[in-house]
Amino acid sequence: AQSVAQPEDQVNVAEGNPLTVKCTYSVSGNPYLFWYVQYPNRGLQFLLKYITGDNLVKGSYGFEAEFNKSQTSFHLKKPSALVSDSALYFCAVRVPAGAGNNRKLIWGLGTSLAVNP
Amino acid sequence: DAGVIQSPRHEVTEMGQEVTLRCKPISGHDYLFWYRQTMMRGLELLIYFNNNVPIDDSGMPEDRFSAKMPNASFSTLKIQPSEPRDSAVYFCASTQVYQETQYFGPGTRLLVL
Repeated sequence: AQSVAQPEDQVNVAEGNPLTVKCTYSVSGNPYLFWYVQYPNRGLQFLLKYITGDNLVKGSYGFEAEFNKSQTSFHLKKPSALVSDSALYFCAVRVPAGAGNNRKLIWGLGTSLAVNP
Repeated sequence: DAGVIQSPRHEVTEMGQEVTLRCKPISGHDYLFWYRQTMMRGLELLIYFNNNVPIDDSGMPEDRFSAKMPNASFSTLKIQPSEPRDSAVYFCASTQVYQETQYFGPGTRLLVL
């Protein structure tokens, strides 16, 4: 079965320190990978995606993620965390398969990031 | 663009009542998704439409749930009868065929007493 794992329910970092939110996946085929962020009482917002090309992708708010095919990972990173980065982060994957209009994303359970002042 | 619009933002109802949630996707988007978010199960895809046609409803929990998309600018998710375990935040999202990014609405927080 295809799945996405976010092994940490919560990540705590001090403001100014680098942060990493982990994501691994188990799918057949070449995946499209995504990170979304959810602030309290808001809908999810797109951060970044990997479709093809350079394994390091840059997104909104200074976030970046590296696609590692051998480790089936897509960890989210930021060099210097801000208190305002505190939110719930979701990893998701889609496997485009042949023709058709399948747009179903497989979602991780989310990781709560707390950045302490 | 106003983004994805959902109404109501909050709904409190009693068990057994009918609940209707509404969604207006971003103009020009041809995919629409309904999600449910709970602490226990995280984010679940309930159903999605392409050009107003349901493509995958395998996530709809049971017959009490139904969704329609009568035109490109409106969709409803109905729960009849509602039960306390339906309490959750329901999100609608939309995207275009040439995009991969899903754009989420603000959600409807449903509480069934």
